[in-house]
Order: sequence, then C-alpha cells, then structure tokens
Amino acid sequence: EIVLTQSPATLSLSPGERATLSCRASQSINYYLAWYQQRPGQAPRLLIYDASNRATGIPARFSGSGSGTDFTLTISSLEPEDFAVYYCQQRTNLAPFGGGTKVEI
Amino acid sequence: QLQLQESGPGLVKPSETLSLTCTVSGGSINSTIHHWGWTRQSPGKGLEWIGSIFYSGDVHQNPPLKSRFTISKDTSRNQFSLRLYSVTASDTAVYYCVRLRSGYLVDWGQGTLVTVSS
Repeated sequence: EIVLTQSPATLSLSPGERATLSCRASQSINYYLAWYQQRPGQAPRLLIYDASNRATGIPARFSGSGSGTDFTLTISSLEPEDFAVYYCQQRTNLAPFGGGTKVEI
Repeated sequence: QLQLQESGPGLVKPSETLSLTCTVSGGSINSTIHHWGWTRQSPGKGLEWIGSIFYSGDVHQNPPLKSRFTISKDTSRNQFSLRLYSVTASDTAVYYCVRLRSGYLVDWGQGTLVTVSS
C-alpha cells in the first residue's frame, strides 16, 4: 500500500503570499500524482494531474512539481478564494489520498 | 457539460444496507476512457476512496472496504450505484460520485450526506 503524507497540516498565510505544500509518497509513484482543492461546503476539484499539468480552467498561479516520492504544489500569490484544504492523490494504487493541508488566513 | 448527481436516503440504521445512485448527464457511462466511482468524507475528516466501475463492468475496490460494498451500473438509465452493507456509525459521511480519467477524479458530484443512526 502506498501512503501519501502531506505537510504541513496547516499553513497560515496572507493574501498575496506564496504557498508551498508538500506531498510525500511511501514509495515511488513516478509522476502519477494529482492535487485537489476543497473549499468549505464544496466538493473537491482537480487542480493538477500527472504532477505538473493544470486541469482545465485552473489559474496559472497554481503549479505542481516533483516525481518519484516528493511532490510540491505551489500557489504563487494567494487569492482570497484559495484559502481551502488541498489533497494529493496517487493513481497507481487506485486512488488513495493524502491527509490534506489546510491553507488558512 | 458533465453533471453527476447523487441520490439516496440521508439516514440509515446500523447494520442495514446503504444504497446510493449517481445519475450522469452530459456524458455516457459506456465511455471507454472513464471509470465511475465513489469517494467519501467523514465529518471534519479527509477523503476516502471506495471504488470504481468501468464500462466493461470491471470493479476496482479499496481493499479495507472490499468485502462490504458493491458497485454496479445501469447503462439504460446512465446511472451507477453503490451498496454498502452492515453499516455502522463510522460509515457516516458525505458520499461523492466521481468520474475518473487515467486514475484521476476529474468530475465530482455535489455529494450527499448519509448518517448512520438508530
């Protein structure tokens, strides 16, 4: 079983700041990683797939990087609507998720 | 534009069977490039993968839940369904139906809260 560990659990930042979220896999998953955003009371939405590809309609301030076991989601300049919980997910073992990182003001 | 809509009872008694249906509009569950699946989220917790079904009928399951659920599809109604057996309070969650492509959850329903309580 591949386990995804996200850090930090909570990230306290201000609008306009840069956010850097980490996701570490217990074994190599190549680049088969996605990132999702979940705003309060809403369903998650896909932001990034295959580690670095933005999904349709996702703003350019969201970027993903990494391969193997270490991955990063970067939000270059936080907008008010970006304060949410972010999950990573790997596709090699039928879609388990990381525990999430909450980005709060 | 694809839409996914979950439906089912909001309250289920312990030890009973939870049945949910996802109605798909704007796309066909006979698609050969998509899987159709279920994910859940307990109150205040993270996301848990349940399983998915392919157009061929092949089902992929999350091993910890494997013995307690079935996923099926009704192509005539463009729906797929989840049945979770012998529920307990720990099965209380928001259940999302999803469309997957290449293993990623590209489309989500709005979710439906199911509470297990007597």
